Amino acid sequence: GIQVEQSPPDLILQEGANSTLRCNFSDSVNNLQWFHQNPWGQLINLFYIPSGTKQNGRLSATTVATERYSLLYISSSQTTDSGVYFCAASNTGNQFYFGTGTSLTVIP
Amino acid sequence: DAGITQSPRHKVTETGTPVTLRCHQTENHRYMYWYRQDPGHGLRLIHYSYGVKDTDKGEVSDGYSVSRSKTEDFLLTLESATSSQTSVYFCAISPDRVGQPQHFGDGTRLSIL
Repeated sequence: GIQVEQSPPDLILQEGANSTLRCNFSDSVNNLQWFHQNPWGQLINLFYIPSGTKQNGRLSATTVATERYSLLYISSSQTTDSGVYFCAASNTGNQFYFGTGTSLTVIP
Repeated sequence: DAGITQSPRHKVTETGTPVTLRCHQTENHRYMYWYRQDPGHGLRLIHYSYGVKDTDKGEVSDGYSVSRSKTEDFLLTLESATSSQTSVYFCAISPDRVGQPQHFGDGTRLSIL
């Protein structure tokens, strides 16, 4: 299967700061997604982004498929951004492989 | 929010007992997935379904079976639960076409003593 590595594993930010989370994957993919798991355990789909760049409010994501990485940008972080961010990759569309996540804590 | 309901939300049972978890969707999506989440492993795919009675194995399928007799329901069964199957189980769905975003249920916390 695809090896998915996320960095950094942990991140602590002051409210208002910006951050970049990285996801490296070991094989070509046709499906790359970012998720946020909130402190209550719910998994929310942030982006479906097998290639290119997308933006949604203070969040944006870029996937460079040819170089096998994706980046998630969080600008002007808020305490509600705290939680764990996962990326998941697939090259079949059915078998998805998740990274171990980046745990983000935003301090007021 | 995607209409996905997992039941039960919490369950405690003993080693050797059978356990069935249910995922119910109201979105009429073709694809349904079962994952388990464990510390240090992220989420790992157990089984998935691409239609009624059409299922396939994922990365960690040993000890689990699934069934899908209706579009809206995807059942995960542990025939004889073991302590290593203590985990949080998530169901996910995605639309008819492969390569679409997945949306997750709220999870089932399963403890096997």
